[in-house]
Amino acid sequence: DQQVKQNSPSLSVQEGRISILNCDYTNSMFDYFLWYKKYPAEGPTFLISISSIKDKNEDGRFTVFLNKSAKHLSLHIVPSQPGDSAVYFCAASGGGSEKLVFGKGTKLTVNP
Amino acid sequence: GAVVSQHPSWVICKSGTSVKIECRSLDFQATTMFWYRQFPKQSLMLMATSNEGSKATYEQGVEKDKFLINHASLTLSTLTVTSAHPEDSSFYICSARPRWGTSYNEQFFGPGTRLTVL
Repeated sequence: DQQVKQNSPSLSVQEGRISILNCDYTNSMFDYFLWYKKYPAEGPTFLISISSIKDKNEDGRFTVFLNKSAKHLSLHIVPSQPGDSAVYFCAASGGGSEKLVFGKGTKLTVNP
Repeated sequence: GAVVSQHPSWVICKSGTSVKIECRSLDFQATTMFWYRQFPKQSLMLMATSNEGSKATYEQGVEKDKFLINHASLTLSTLTVTSAHPEDSSFYICSARPRWGTSYNEQFFGPGTRLTVL
């Protein structure tokens, strides 16, 4: 039973346009959500996070939106750059646990 | 910034042998280290959580006698895959949580180790 779902395995966008990556979760106990970026043969690197007390968090070109009622979050990248091409993982934690539960990832390709 | 290294970055071994993977936090002390496994096109699956000086806590379905974890110091954790079989072939990634970390995002990942069992 997958508690964190990223239903789009891949996404392709043009440079300069917006990239929207989606993530759904099922566990109501999750109260902290993170996005990680991962290049092949490397470990994930932290991008941005959001607590369940917020519905939006912005950091430069990256914005994460959280819709608790829908158990859905999204990562917006504006403007997208070729260097953003990577696999993006959504992760969640909660219930006092420091463990992270990851989605399967979405491979983003930004075309020049 | 906080850097986590893993050694080796890749290893090929024969079935039935044991392989040790090291995870080191290079510029910080880690109270907790986590070991993940990732199969192709799959998510990172947490295998175990290890705290310095105590026994590791394994996730359901992970054999503790097969995947031996030792967290000998605040900067080093090792994962030993004992009697490896081809189905153990995977990408193993560790992460470390700094002593000064107070939020969940403060978990820094190593570059991973690609294990191939022939």
